[in-house]
Amino acid sequence: QKEVEQDPGPLSVPEGAIVSLNCTYSNSAFQYFMWYRQYSRKGPELLMYTYSSGNKEDGRFTAQVDKSSKYISLFIRDSQPSDSATYLCAMSLNTGTASKLTFGTGTRLQVTL
Amino acid sequence: GAVVSQHPSWVICKSGTSVKIECRSLDFQATTMFWYRQFPKQSLMLMATSNEGSKATYEQGVEKDKFLINHASLTLSTLTVTSAHPEDSSFYICSAEYFGPSGNNEQFFGPGTRLTVL
Repeated sequence: QKEVEQDPGPLSVPEGAIVSLNCTYSNSAFQYFMWYRQYSRKGPELLMYTYSSGNKEDGRFTAQVDKSSKYISLFIRDSQPSDSATYLCAMSLNTGTASKLTFGTGTRLQVTL
Repeated sequence: GAVVSQHPSWVICKSGTSVKIECRSLDFQATTMFWYRQFPKQSLMLMATSNEGSKATYEQGVEKDKFLINHASLTLSTLTVTSAHPEDSSFYICSAEYFGPSGNNEQFFGPGTRLTVL
């Protein structure tokens, strides 16, 4: 069993839709959770990070963490074609120096006109 | 701020040759940098943690003699793939650890280097 599970998609939605992306994890020691966006042939770009259960909002993006269920989500409101990318969840055991990240496989999102 | 660059962005080489990839933090100093490898439609897999002024820490299964890492300054880490073979063809991505004003540390990623070994 992988430490972090993520549906690879692809996920296709019409412009303006609400997108829900999810990851589950098995290691309850993970404390720090991140979502990255990766365009084709580019490095990942940090979208959001959080280290507590609950919701965190930033513009059209909301990150949700449920540590009791070992489940994290990223919601994208009013999705745009420019949101089309691969979304990677990542997590680490701590926030100290040299925090090793464990990534999900990424979900490929396509927002259509 | 917090920009990480990589050079080259892509490289094609013959089997048996060595290739050096550079990772630079452009506007901050990074004591720690990380090297990842990403195969098509797969996630990023951590290869090694690079610490300025000391030896890199390699993940299990990564050959340290094949993937040489040097972190000679606070803004530069290099990954050298020695005696490259076609199975080393992959997308290599580095990240640098950045400590923001709030004290939280984040990893910022470079744009990646696509290596193709013929």
